[in-house]
Amino acid sequence: EAGVAQSPRYKIIEKRQSVAFWCNPISGHATLYWYQQILGQGPKLLIQFQNNGVVDDSQLPKDRFSAERLKGVDSTLKIQPAKLEDSAVYLCASRGGGEAFFGQGTRLTVV
Amino acid sequence: KNEVEQSPQNLTAQEGEFITINCSYSVGISALHWLQQHPGGGIVSLFMLSSGKKKHGRLIATINIQEKHSSLHITASHPRDSAVYICAVPTGAGNTPLVFGKGTRLSVIA
Repeated sequence: EAGVAQSPRYKIIEKRQSVAFWCNPISGHATLYWYQQILGQGPKLLIQFQNNGVVDDSQLPKDRFSAERLKGVDSTLKIQPAKLEDSAVYLCASRGGGEAFFGQGTRLTVV
Repeated sequence: KNEVEQSPQNLTAQEGEFITINCSYSVGISALHWLQQHPGGGIVSLFMLSSGKKKHGRLIATINIQEKHSSLHITASHPRDSAVYICAVPTGAGNTPLVFGKGTRLSVIA
């Protein structure tokens, strides 16, 4: 079974630039999550999708972050414009049978 | 809202030692997850358990639902076990998001 795929693995951008991350969940998993993990902390939920609908985006900073899952499969997370405090690992996860599966994450550094 | 506490925050062990990491949570749950995160950032699911005990190789996870407490044990620890171990519980029923502990950073020295 293929795992959750994320790209890119690493990204360095300057503040005020924009960036996009991509996630391909495990085939058949309707539930997809994006988490933000700041160094030294546990992951924090940004947004949850059920198929192509948003279930919870209460912690997504909507003035600069956006996410979509148009066909209920792949998802993209965008930050525009980026701030220094957005430096973190962005994790995508999908859930099936109760168990959560995580991607390798994208490590974003904003300079 | 479920809150997750892990201890210890950091742990250094000699190769071969028996290691225990603890996790407590505040709200009753259907299942608890133990996850492993290596320096590259990716997270691997080690266990999902709802009662009793599970074993996989040198890793053992136990849970006490009544006491809202779980432990992760590593027997005969090895330097390759060095990683951050994270406990996570769902915020509610169904496919609700996971709430994560802050993690335990384990370093095993040869």
